[in-house]
Amino acid sequence: GESVGLHLPTLSVQEGDNSIINCAYSNSASDYFIWYKQESGKGPQFIIDIRSNMDKRQGQRVTVLLNKTVKHLSLQIAATQPGDSAVYFCAERQYIFGTGTRLKVLA
Amino acid sequence: NAGVMQNPRHLVRRRGQEARLRCSPMKGHSHVYWYRQLPEEGLKFMVYLQKENIIDESGMPKERFSAEFPKEGPSILRIQQVVRGDSAAYFCASSPRTGSSYNEQFFGPGTRLTVL
Repeated sequence: GESVGLHLPTLSVQEGDNSIINCAYSNSASDYFIWYKQESGKGPQFIIDIRSNMDKRQGQRVTVLLNKTVKHLSLQIAATQPGDSAVYFCAERQYIFGTGTRLKVLA
Repeated sequence: NAGVMQNPRHLVRRRGQEARLRCSPMKGHSHVYWYRQLPEEGLKFMVYLQKENIIDESGMPKERFSAEFPKEGPSILRIQQVVRGDSAAYFCASSPRTGSSYNEQFFGPGTRLTVL
């Protein structure tokens, strides 16, 4: 069956360093992926998306990389800030979500 | 333009009671999605609705759970005869268009259901 999973449940990063959050998926036919950020007590918030005809997409301080060969995508956050502390989910198409990775930013 | 609104934000029920969770999508959005999230876990899709239609309910438990999105008014997720295992955060999201798999979803703040 389809699944979207994350490799690391918790990632601790020093403030100012870059963060990399990984996600694996199993459905090779998937053509659209989304990263969401969920802060404590709040609903998820869209960060960035990527379609399968791309292998990289950049936003403000964030970059998503898609490797269709190994069915893997990553979210890179540059110069991580305390406000980046949250749980990050990758999602396949509209509503298949991975488990999430908690990002902790250390001062 | 107000975001997705959910109420109540917190709901406490005793076992066997009914829980009704409401979701008002963003203005102009005709598609609503419901998710359940257990503590320290991801979002589990439950149901996808368009006004007066259920598009995909593959994530809904077969018993006790139902959802509707009437022509007028909010979407309702209804849980009958609640059990402790229903305790979770329930999130609603809305999107604006039909058909496309590329629609961004906008999430509400969630309803935290506690079953005593």
